[in-house]
Amino acid sequence: DAGVTQSPTHLIKTRGQQVTLRCSPKSGHDTVSWYQQALGQGPQFIFQYYEEEERQRGNFPDRFSGHQFPNYSSELNVNALLLGDSALYLCASSLIDREDGYTFGSGTRLTVV
Amino acid sequence: GDSVTQMEGPVTLSEEAFLTINCTYTATGYPSLFWYVQYPGEGLQLLLKATKADDKGSNKGFEATYRKETTSFHLEKGSVQVSDSAVYFCALNGGKGGSEKLVFGKGTKLTVNP
Repeated sequence: DAGVTQSPTHLIKTRGQQVTLRCSPKSGHDTVSWYQQALGQGPQFIFQYYEEEERQRGNFPDRFSGHQFPNYSSELNVNALLLGDSALYLCASSLIDREDGYTFGSGTRLTVV
Repeated sequence: GDSVTQMEGPVTLSEEAFLTINCTYTATGYPSLFWYVQYPGEGLQLLLKATKADDKGSNKGFEATYRKETTSFHLEKGSVQVSDSAVYFCALNGGKGGSEKLVFGKGTKLTVNP
């Protein structure tokens, strides 16, 4: 049973560029959440998607946007990249009732230079 | 808003030593509490959880008890192994019917030496 799959695993971008990260949820899960984990810190909640709509959002600027597709997969887009956006981006999937808990992917390591 | 404070690391122990990692929280309502573990180069894995006061979560020899009176959820293990070396995160969410976002502590790095 495949868990959460994220791509790419590593990415290097230049300041001002745009980036798209992808996530395929665990089989059977319908909800996807994104987290940003800076080096040496705990993950910070970015937003959550369910039924192709953003249900909840953390304290991140509008440069961070997302999308969920009919097959429940999701994308995280970041525009106008800043050096401070360098982090590990984690995707977590769950059922909307959370009975199965949250399953995290291994993350995408984004480096902005 | 909700927050989690956990013991700063790093923590270095010898194999078979007793482990305690302290975690306290601030939250409204009735949060659910979690411990996650992150091995090098990997994502987060749920270690254990508790959803109401006095619940004890346990897994792989690790235990934590939800203490509402002290707003704490300390992680313990009686005898650590080298394979337990990882970063441990305490976290909470809003519980059943509450906010779904997980709020994490900063993490505690544990190194176990043979």
